[in-house]
Amino acid sequence: EADIYQTPRYLVIGTGKKITLECSQTMGHDKMYWYQQDPGMELHLIHYSYGVNSTEKGDLSSESTVSRIRTEHFPLTLESARPSHTSQYLCASSPLDRPNTEAFFGQGTRLTVV
Amino acid sequence: KQEVTQIPAALSVPEGENLVLNCSFTDSAIYNLQWFRQDPGKGLTSLLLIQSSQREQTSGRLNASLDKSSGRSTLYIAASQPGDSATYLCAVYSGTGTPLVFGKGTRLSVIA
Repeated sequence: EADIYQTPRYLVIGTGKKITLECSQTMGHDKMYWYQQDPGMELHLIHYSYGVNSTEKGDLSSESTVSRIRTEHFPLTLESARPSHTSQYLCASSPLDRPNTEAFFGQGTRLTVV
Repeated sequence: KQEVTQIPAALSVPEGENLVLNCSFTDSAIYNLQWFRQDPGKGLTSLLLIQSSQREQTSGRLNASLDKSSGRSTLYIAASQPGDSATYLCAVYSGTGTPLVFGKGTRLSVIA
């Protein structure tokens, strides 16, 4: 069973608020990812990291920031939430660069901005 | 840039049928390919991982094949059940400096 956790599971917040979505994994994985997914739609990569102090932007125009100070922790921050940020956010992790690298996902955070 | 395509986008079958989901990718230089299942409003559950040196992997009623040279993978589901209804996604990992790249998924409905 995957040991990757996202909190909160559900969040309703007002426009303009700053929020941080938490993602933690206990598997010692170097790579971590954040994806955004609207209901019934495809996954969009927004940020990823190869390890501590490494962060990269994904394909989706990002109005968010991430940090990777510890291997196990990869928080996502929205400085000023907008209704267009309403979506599900999924975090994933995987070991670094082996053919049997398997990615594991958290259960997601469903964000509603009102 | 790696691109992953899944066909069909949606599929509806009666219970008990065998079915095949397709995944294709543009760059054959991959480390592995992974099939996931996603239930509505949930995260992704890993089903099968095929390493680049492998041709297929099996888990219960699921069998995934990989033809790296042609950039194709298939997920075969035997004797489908209503509980198999979900969205199935394939993802390709191409190694150092690249993220995991997903297809848009196939939404499967198995009708009792």
